[in-house]
Amino acid sequence: AQSVSQHNHHVILSEAASLELGCNYSYGGTVNLFWYVQYPGQHLQLLLKYFSGDPLVKGIKGFEAEFIKSKFSFNLRKPSVQWSDTAEYFCAVTPGNTPLVFGKGTRLSVIA
Amino acid sequence: GAGVSQTPSNKVTEKGKYVELRCDPISGHTALYWYRQSLGQGPEFLIYFQGTGAADDSGLPNDRFFAVRPEGSVSTLKIQRTERGDSAVYLCASSIQSGNLYNEQFFGPGTRLTVL
Repeated sequence: AQSVSQHNHHVILSEAASLELGCNYSYGGTVNLFWYVQYPGQHLQLLLKYFSGDPLVKGIKGFEAEFIKSKFSFNLRKPSVQWSDTAEYFCAVTPGNTPLVFGKGTRLSVIA
Repeated sequence: GAGVSQTPSNKVTEKGKYVELRCDPISGHTALYWYRQSLGQGPEFLIYFQGTGAADDSGLPNDRFFAVRPEGSVSTLKIQRTERGDSAVYLCASSIQSGNLYNEQFFGPGTRLTVL
């Protein structure tokens, strides 16, 4: 069965600090990879996705993620976080047009 | 346009009672998903509809859980004989479905179920 591991449960950063959230998945075949974000009091929203092609994917709000197939990883990055990035971030995977398998999430708190 | 809506937003019930949770997907979306999110966890898949039929119900935890989508639009998740462990946020998502290509799932706000 597929699984997704997010190793950071809670990350606290100061504004302007750089961010990297880890995501590893277990699945031997081709996968589609996603990062979702949930801002306080809001719905889950898609941040970025990888299907194929360039392994460096750019998403909304300055976020990017890099797919490293040999490491089964899809880490999320942002060079300079803002207070408004405070949210919960979920990594997810699906091998095709099937339900998503989510990680447990990483709570990001950005302090001024 | 309107997004995915879920009602009620909060539901408090007593152990042993029956509950129904409703999901209104985005108009025109043929695929509909139910997920459950417990405290400190990511969403976990429950059931997936393609049109009116359940394409995959492998995530339903036991036979107390059942979902329907009779007209291929609105879906209802039904939980019988609720238990305290059923307390969670129940999320619904919908997407356009076209062949084997992945299509973005749009999530609703969820229903927070509390079983006392």
